[in-house]
Amino acid sequence: QVQLQQSGAELVKPGSSVKISCKASGYTFTSYDMHWIKQQPGNGLEWIGWIYPGNGNTKYNQKFNGKATLTADKSSSTAYMQLSSLTSEDSAVYFCARTGTMMAIIPFAYWGQGTLVTVSS
Amino acid sequence: DIVMTQSPSSLAVSAGETVTINCKSSQSLFGSVRQKNYLAWYQQKPGQSPKLLIYLASTRESGVPDRFIGSGSGTDFTLTISSVQAEDLANYYCQQYYDTDTFGAGTKLELK
Repeated sequence: QVQLQQSGAELVKPGSSVKISCKASGYTFTSYDMHWIKQQPGNGLEWIGWIYPGNGNTKYNQKFNGKATLTADKSSSTAYMQLSSLTSEDSAVYFCARTGTMMAIIPFAYWGQGTLVTVSS
Repeated sequence: DIVMTQSPSSLAVSAGETVTINCKSSQSLFGSVRQKNYLAWYQQKPGQSPKLLIYLASTRESGVPDRFIGSGSGTDFTLTISSVQAEDLANYYCQQYYDTDTFGAGTKLELK
């Protein structure tokens, strides 16, 4: 079965960077885009971008250009998101998610458990 | 970006009631190639990841109870939950995936 296992909570200082991971199992990692989604406390969901691990292609929500960098390691079936120049506005839970089908007819059917990032001095 | 406007923002219900959540998109979500509306609904309980309930506006994801019904086309969509149960108390979000994915602000379903 498809599983997405994310790394643990992070407490980071303003101005620094953080890299969170999402380890995939139960499917061919290189065949599906991996998406990342932000959820601030008490707020809704915001799509950050996706990476296609097969060739490393990425697409970002313009709002996150320069803030988020998506990478993937095929050898370990792990996707990564690095967030840079962190501010309090970046404090949120970040989810990785995969579509249900390759053609994205079925959207985010699979989700990681979420990684809480807290930006505080 | 396509803006998704969800209403109401919160809803207090009693068990057994039927509830309706609305979602309006700023442009049509109907794809002419597949003749489908690219609209999904998710349920999120506190401390959990969102769970996909409905996709293509009206198709239930595998394992989702048939009391969850999605309807609508173009720019106006509805999620109906018939005979609400205690386990349905959660936040509900609509999402368009016709273009760059965007979500509604959510509807909190609470117990009256």
